[in-house]
Amino acid sequence: EAGVTQFPSHSVIEKGQTVTLRCDPISGHDNLYWYRRVMGKEIKFLLHFVKESKQDESGMPNNRFLAERTGGTYSTLKVQPAELEDSGVYFCASSQKERLAGFTGELFFGEGSRLTVL
Amino acid sequence: AQSVSQHNHHVILSEAASLELGCNYSYGGTVNLFWYVQYPGQHLQLLLKYFSGDPLVKGIKGFEAEFIKSKFSFNLRKPSVQWSDTAEYFCAVNSGGYQKVTFGTGTKLQVIP
Repeated sequence: EAGVTQFPSHSVIEKGQTVTLRCDPISGHDNLYWYRRVMGKEIKFLLHFVKESKQDESGMPNNRFLAERTGGTYSTLKVQPAELEDSGVYFCASSQKERLAGFTGELFFGEGSRLTVL
Repeated sequence: AQSVSQHNHHVILSEAASLELGCNYSYGGTVNLFWYVQYPGQHLQLLLKYFSGDPLVKGIKGFEAEFIKSKFSFNLRKPSVQWSDTAEYFCAVNSGGYQKVTFGTGTKLQVIP
C-alpha cells in the first residue's frame, strides 16, 4: 500500500513568488491534515480536511495560504505571495475515517516538503 | 487550547544507557497521547499511543511511556538504547473526540556507539 506522498520534496523560491505544494494521502483516508515546522520549533497544525470539506483551518497563518482538496482525494497548499517567514517543512498527514466515538489514533505522514524563501 | 512541552531539545547517550524523555501537556479534559518518531531521512511514524486503560503503554522497539494524569505528563522511556534509536521524538496530544493533534517541539536523540 502506498503511503502519503508529497511533492516537491524541496522548493526554493524568492520572496513574492508563488509555490504550490501537493499531497496525495493514503487511498481511502478521509482525513487529511497539513502541518508546518519552522526550524527548531513545534510541528504546527495548519488545517484539517474531511473529504473535500475544511473541518478546521484555525492554524492557517493568513490569507496568503490557500488549501484545497478537490474531490476529496489529493490536496494542494498554495502560498501566494511567499514571505521569508514561510520557510519551513510542510508536512501532510492522513488518517482513516473516525470512529463514532472519535479519533482513530494514528496519523500517517508524508516525508514533507521543504520550502525555502529567499 | 491544548499544548505540549518537551523539556529536552537534544539528548546524547551512549549505547546501553537508559532513556527518559519528558513530555507535559496542558489540557484539562480527556486526552489521547502519542509519541511519534522521525528517523533520519524518513517520515514521522507512530511509536506508541495512550487512549485509556493501563497508564503504562508499550510501543515498538522496546519503548514505553507512562501517563501520569496528576502531573499532566507522558514521559517516554527505554531501558537500553541502541545506535539505531538515533532520531527525533515528538510528543503529541489530542483532546478526545476531536481529530486535531498538537505536537511538541521535538527532542533529538543521538546515540553514540
